Amino acid sequence: QVQLVQSGAEVKKPGASVKISCKASGYTFITYAVHWVRQAPGQRLEWMGWINAANGKTKYSQKFQGRVTITKSTSASTAYLELSSLTSEDTAVYYCARGWGPHNAFEFWGQGTLVTVSS
Amino acid sequence: QSALTQPPSVSGSPGQSVTISCTGNTSDFGSHNRVSWYRQSPGTAPKLMIYEVSNRPSGVPDRFSGSKSANTASLTISGLQAEDEADYYCSSYTTSDTYVFGTGTKVNVL
Repeated sequence: QVQLVQSGAEVKKPGASVKISCKASGYTFITYAVHWVRQAPGQRLEWMGWINAANGKTKYSQKFQGRVTITKSTSASTAYLELSSLTSEDTAVYYCARGWGPHNAFEFWGQGTLVTVSS
Repeated sequence: QSALTQPPSVSGSPGQSVTISCTGNTSDFGSHNRVSWYRQSPGTAPKLMIYEVSNRPSGVPDRFSGSKSANTASLTISGLQAEDEADYYCSSYTTSDTYVFGTGTKVNVL
């Protein structure tokens, strides 16, 4: 069955960077895009960007442009989210989700990774 | 990119129907039907409930239905059940090749 397993919780200081992983299994990795979505405590879902797992092309939300980098390792069937210049407002649960290409929906989700930014 | 607008909460008794609206602008929805809906219970990842405005993925009960008119999409839950109590989010693929989520709606089962 399709599974997206994310790396564990992180605690970072303001100004630092964080890199989260999302390991896919149960399907051919390069066949589907991987999206990243975050949710601050008590807040709504917020789309951050996505990567085409076949060719590595990315698209980012304008809000995070310049601070976010999404990459992949095809051999490891893993996508990565790196967010730099962290502030307390970046404290959130970060989810990866498999894109359902032609339907532009998020079909399967990882379990989420809590990133806490605190001095 | 601003969020799509949803009511903060809707309520209904078991067996009743509730409808959640999701309003955006033309650039949010474009001319396509790439609107999806997600259910999120506390402490868990979202779950896809509706895609392309009105289609249900395998395993989603037919109590869940979706529609769209102009720049407003809607999710209706018929025959409300206690297990339907959760947060619901709409999402749309935009004309900028990005995605936007709604503000979220809490469904309360009285």
